[in-house]
Amino acid sequence: QVQLQESGPGLVKPSQTLSLTCTVSGGSISSGSYYWSWIRQPAGKGLEWIGRIYTSGSTNYNPSLKSRVTISVDTSKNQFSLKLSSVTAADTAVYYCAREEYCTNGVCYGFDPWGQGTLVTVSS
Amino acid sequence: DIQMTQSPSSLSASVGDRVTITCRASQGIRNDLGWYQQKPGKAPKRLIYAASSLQSGVPSRFSGSGSGTEFTLTISSLQPEDFATYYCLQHNSWTFGQGTKVEIK
Repeated sequence: QVQLQESGPGLVKPSQTLSLTCTVSGGSISSGSYYWSWIRQPAGKGLEWIGRIYTSGSTNYNPSLKSRVTISVDTSKNQFSLKLSSVTAADTAVYYCAREEYCTNGVCYGFDPWGQGTLVTVSS
Repeated sequence: DIQMTQSPSSLSASVGDRVTITCRASQGIRNDLGWYQQKPGKAPKRLIYAASSLQSGVPSRFSGSGSGTEFTLTISSLQPEDFATYYCLQHNSWTFGQGTKVEIK
């Protein structure tokens, strides 16, 4: 059973770059037809999709964050990563990584499983 | 961008009640919609995908319906463990609804 675990600094200073890693266990990140995504949730608010990567390296990003986001993958470590530059207090949130299965035969499956989430606070 | 409007934002219900939550898309999205349940301090959990397909292991009291622009999540008989926040997600541009908090009456 595939499991995901986020890791990274819990505190980032304004204007700096937020960096998180998601480690995939229980299966290879390269196997199957999956995208690997990042999603975030400010305290008490809703969910916002940040972006995703396929193991080939192709990416899609939320247009509202695209200028500041980079998602990369390291198949040798079974990990994928998020970098968000020029952060402000508005980027304070719980960050989740999640797996998304390819849409096939007109069926889109969404996100499953999810990591437990990691809180990142932007503050000086 | 496709906008999702989820309603209500919150509701109070009793154990055993039938509960309905709606998501409306600003344009047609076929059946590219899922429903997620989130409990406090936990990651969301997928309940429904492709508008009406039940995730394996999810109780049959949960059901989804709709196509195009209007979608519904129904809980046929609310159980104590169902008190949570529910989100819809459209897959075309990965936009979540605003969420519906289901509270105990």
